[in-house]
Amino acid sequence: DAKTTQPPSMDCAEGRAANLPCNHSTISGNEYVYWYRQIHSQGPQYIIHGLKNNETNEMASLIITEDRKSSTLILPHATLRDTAVYYCIVVYFYGQNFVFGPGTRLSVLP
Amino acid sequence: DVKVTQSSRYLVKRTGEKVFLECVQDMDHENMFWYRQDPGLGLRLIYFSYDVKMKEKGDIPEGYSVSREKKERFSLILESASTNQTSMYLCASSFRGNQPQHFGDGTRLSIL
Repeated sequence: DAKTTQPPSMDCAEGRAANLPCNHSTISGNEYVYWYRQIHSQGPQYIIHGLKNNETNEMASLIITEDRKSSTLILPHATLRDTAVYYCIVVYFYGQNFVFGPGTRLSVLP
Repeated sequence: DVKVTQSSRYLVKRTGEKVFLECVQDMDHENMFWYRQDPGLGLRLIYFSYDVKMKEKGDIPEGYSVSREKKERFSLILESASTNQTSMYLCASSFRGNQPQHFGDGTRLSIL
């Protein structure tokens, strides 16, 4: 069973922030939230991950709610090259099996 | 940057053939993984390995085997290819259990 729920598709204007939501209401205390994206005909690309604190790197920011039941991936200034399918997944602390659901298809529009 | 290289981007084989898919990583990662990706089904784990000569079954190991003789190389073997094994195959590696997995660009395998 999927551990995360994401909207199937979203649009974002180029140059604007893209905010991608993810619901993981059954997450347990020792599970991380990971985000990946997959551009057509390429393998999934790691973006960011976190446990309970907000995280930021050169690609994106991850905001996790205090109850950890949902999170938001923020691409601060979306470009056309950010058009991809974005996957939010929940991974046990020592887990090996990354289970990818259908994700959110983000279209960045000029 | 981590580099995970899969030997072929596209491969066409016939039913009953023995098929080898190769994957190499250059970051001295302990863990390596094989997934298949099918429309509507997401990624499904076939096998993974956490050390040389070690292997663990994933969610869909039937019809597949793996080999890891060297740390940097993980091979997926289709013992007798069937049409339902037509898919995109993705290899990944990670340093330790909960560290990010890094993926190759995949092999699109067609079994005729």
